[in-house]
Amino acid sequence: DSGVTQTPKHLITATGQRVTLRCSPRSGDLSVYWYQQSLDQGLQFLIQYYNGEERAKGNILERFSAQQFPDLHSELNLSSLELGDSALYFCASSVQGLYGYTFGSGTRLTVV
Amino acid sequence: KNEVEQSPQNLTAQEGEFITINCSYSVGISALHWLQQHPGGGIVSLFMLSSGKKKHGRLIATINIQEKHSSLHITASHPRDSAVYICAVRDNNNDMRFGAGTRLTVKP
Repeated sequence: DSGVTQTPKHLITATGQRVTLRCSPRSGDLSVYWYQQSLDQGLQFLIQYYNGEERAKGNILERFSAQQFPDLHSELNLSSLELGDSALYFCASSVQGLYGYTFGSGTRLTVV
Repeated sequence: KNEVEQSPQNLTAQEGEFITINCSYSVGISALHWLQQHPGGGIVSLFMLSSGKKKHGRLIATINIQEKHSSLHITASHPRDSAVYICAVRDNNNDMRFGAGTRLTVKP
């Protein structure tokens, strides 16, 4: 157990639907990062939050949004899902991005 | 052109061999990471570097900031080292950029 918890582990949903992925960071880590790993695109950075505030934004689609709550857990919301959104979604946490990252085990999203 | 290039793409080695994976980047960075992804998909952060060299067990990572190049070395390789190794950089805008990964297979 890395200390970063992601739920659910697997998710199958239909096109057009909306899902929420959840991440609980390692205790004491203030930063949460979201990544998408698809077969054709490799690992891509989506967005970072630090202590509740958005810190950096990568290749995140407008249909996707995220937030970090006061208890530091984070949620990634994916809406109007398309087949191409099928991927592994990873969350990682760090103290401040200074000491490396701890990754969660990922959520495998399948859009059918 | 990807801003983070890794080589080789695929690497097969015999158990016990010394392995080197290379990473070159073209952007200004604040840190470089080496990640390991196992066949099941889980990702482990191996190293974060901003200068010099780090060692952890049989793994050694080096970075040359002037040359914008990093290497990951595995000494006395073992079949359990078989995984995809990913180089990632944190650029000066705070974005993370990833290499395509190097698939390592270590045969007994």
